[in-house]
Amino acid sequence: AQSVAQPEDQVNVAEGNPLTVKCTYSVSGNPYLFWYVQYPNRGLQFLLKYITGDNLVKGSYGFEAEFNKSQTSFHLKKPSALVSDSALYFCAVRDLGAGSYQLTFGKGTKLSVIP
Amino acid sequence: GAVVSQHPSRVICKSGTSVKIECRSLDFQATTMFWYRQFPKQSLMLMATSNEGSKATYEQGVEKDKFLINHASLTLSTLTVTSAHPEDSSFYICSAIDRQSAETQYFGPGTRLLVL
Repeated sequence: AQSVAQPEDQVNVAEGNPLTVKCTYSVSGNPYLFWYVQYPNRGLQFLLKYITGDNLVKGSYGFEAEFNKSQTSFHLKKPSALVSDSALYFCAVRDLGAGSYQLTFGKGTKLSVIP
Repeated sequence: GAVVSQHPSRVICKSGTSVKIECRSLDFQATTMFWYRQFPKQSLMLMATSNEGSKATYEQGVEKDKFLINHASLTLSTLTVTSAHPEDSSFYICSAIDRQSAETQYFGPGTRLLVL
């Protein structure tokens, strides 16, 4: 079975500072990894994904994430946080070996960027 | 590209009535669509997987007779909440996979259902 852990319910960061939202995963096969962002009362917006290749993935709005196979992590990062980045962030994994398109989501991390 | 719409965005209905929610992929054909339910301050709970032209696959604990799913075309899936009750009040989100690039799920904006 696949699983995702987002160990922090909330992350607070000052505007202009770098931010990190943590994610670790567990799959039996090779993972597809995703980050989504959700603003209040809205659906999820796709930020970035890791499928294969370069471990550092760049996505929308200046976000990036680094795939670390040995630590089974896929932390989301941004060099300089904006107040508009305040939202709920979800990490998700898909197990290529499972033969399914289903995603397993973490519980979400609320990011608050303080002006 | 990869836009998914949902209609309505919010709906209020009386207990006992049925509500239909539409999910459309606007600029791509979706082989597979998913329906999720999200409770306040919680993650997404997968309800069912909808494949075009075949019966939906429901997750354990989801009543298929209560949550009817129809995926009649490559761009449209519908979720009907039958005989709705207040406990069905929730935020329902659909997602779709592009048949050309079946790697990423793209999500709709969600539908807020309130059953009185």
